[in-house]
Amino acid sequence: EAGVAQSPRYKIIEKRQSVAFWCNPISGHATLYWYQQILGQGPKLLIQFQNNGVVDDSQLPKDRFSAERLKGVDSTLKIQPAKLEDSAVYLCASSPSGKSYEQYFGPGTRLTVT
Amino acid sequence: GENVEQHPSTLSVQEGDSAVIKCTYSDSASNYFPWYKQELGKRPQLIIDIRSNVGEKKDQRIAVTLNKTAKHFSLHITETQPEDSAVYFCAAGSSNTGKLIFGQGTTLQVKP
Repeated sequence: EAGVAQSPRYKIIEKRQSVAFWCNPISGHATLYWYQQILGQGPKLLIQFQNNGVVDDSQLPKDRFSAERLKGVDSTLKIQPAKLEDSAVYLCASSPSGKSYEQYFGPGTRLTVT
Repeated sequence: GENVEQHPSTLSVQEGDSAVIKCTYSDSASNYFPWYKQELGKRPQLIIDIRSNVGEKKDQRIAVTLNKTAKHFSLHITETQPEDSAVYFCAAGSSNTGKLIFGQGTTLQVKP
């Protein structure tokens, strides 16, 4: 079974630029999560999708972050404009139907904002 | 708000010794407590989990205990090996919604 795929793996941008990350969950997984992991900290949930609907986006900074999951499969997370404090690893995870707690993580995208 | 505190932040042990990592949580509605291992530059991987209706769970050299009354849970690794060296994260959340709150992580170093 293929794992969660993410791209790009690394991205360096200047502050005020925009950036987008892509995630392809494990086939058949209904629930998809985006986490932000700042160096030295645990992952922090940004947004959770159930199929193509948003379940929880309470911690998403909506003035600059947006995410979508069209067709309930792949997802993109966008930051516009980026700030220095957005430097982090952005992790995507997915879980199977009926087992939302069983999360499988992707390799992450390491974002550096200069 | 909901919070998970994890201690210690770093832990160094000799190969063969035991290691214990402790977490406390604030949301009494939490009913699912997983532990993840993250090697340098790699993705977090689930190593063991426990539900609120169970007090202890063991899988070979790792075990997790849960005290719901005190709202704390612990990870125990026995007979540690150098390949156990990694960052370990605890989390607390809901098995229904899947929402997890992660601790800050513990860097475990096992010295050969």
